[in-house]
Amino acid sequence: TQLLEQSPQFLSIQEGENLTVYCNSSSVFSSLQWYRQEPGEGPVLLVTVVTGGEVKKLKRLTFQFGDARKDSSLHITAAQPGDTGLYLCAGAAGYSTLTFGKGTMLLVSP
Amino acid sequence: DAGVIQSPRHEVTEMGQEVTLRCKPISGHNSLFWYRQTMMRGLELLIYFNNNVPIDDSGMPEDRFSAKMPNASFSTLKIQPSEPRDSAVYFCASSLVGQQAFFGQGTRLTVV
Repeated sequence: TQLLEQSPQFLSIQEGENLTVYCNSSSVFSSLQWYRQEPGEGPVLLVTVVTGGEVKKLKRLTFQFGDARKDSSLHITAAQPGDTGLYLCAGAAGYSTLTFGKGTMLLVSP
Repeated sequence: DAGVIQSPRHEVTEMGQEVTLRCKPISGHNSLFWYRQTMMRGLELLIYFNNNVPIDDSGMPEDRFSAKMPNASFSTLKIQPSEPRDSAVYFCASSLVGQQAFFGQGTRLTVV
């Protein structure tokens, strides 16, 4: 079983702060996806990273895939209350099935 | 397109009863997934269909769980008999093979 460990499990910060969350595994993935899930909703895809060392930016969010394709990080600059949610990473190693981490719950207070 | 549609949004049932969850995938998508989400275990894949055929059901907990996809526009997940430990949020997702998965809003199941 391929496991994805996300850390921290919970993060509470003030508006304007920067933060980084991590997604780690002992397994190699062909691609890794990051999702954000808001209360009462399903996860929504933010980004997919495919190449080891790849960096993708989505406005204030920066995603990085580890060189060995076993880990990834998400950095948020100047967090806003609208960034609040559960951030999930998911690794793909075959077919279209994904292995999800348990997520990092982010709370950004005004 | 309205996205992936799940029903009901909330279900409360007594232990031992049969529960049926429903999903309408996005039109044209050929892959459908059922997931279960709990605080303890996170998001777990239960079963994956491709072109209406079950490809991987290794995540189905036990014989009490069954899933069907009679056509490209409809799938069900049935639990019979239900138990309190089945309480969770159940998500359906659909995609084109190898591409982004779109999730429904989920069904929150409570078994008392």
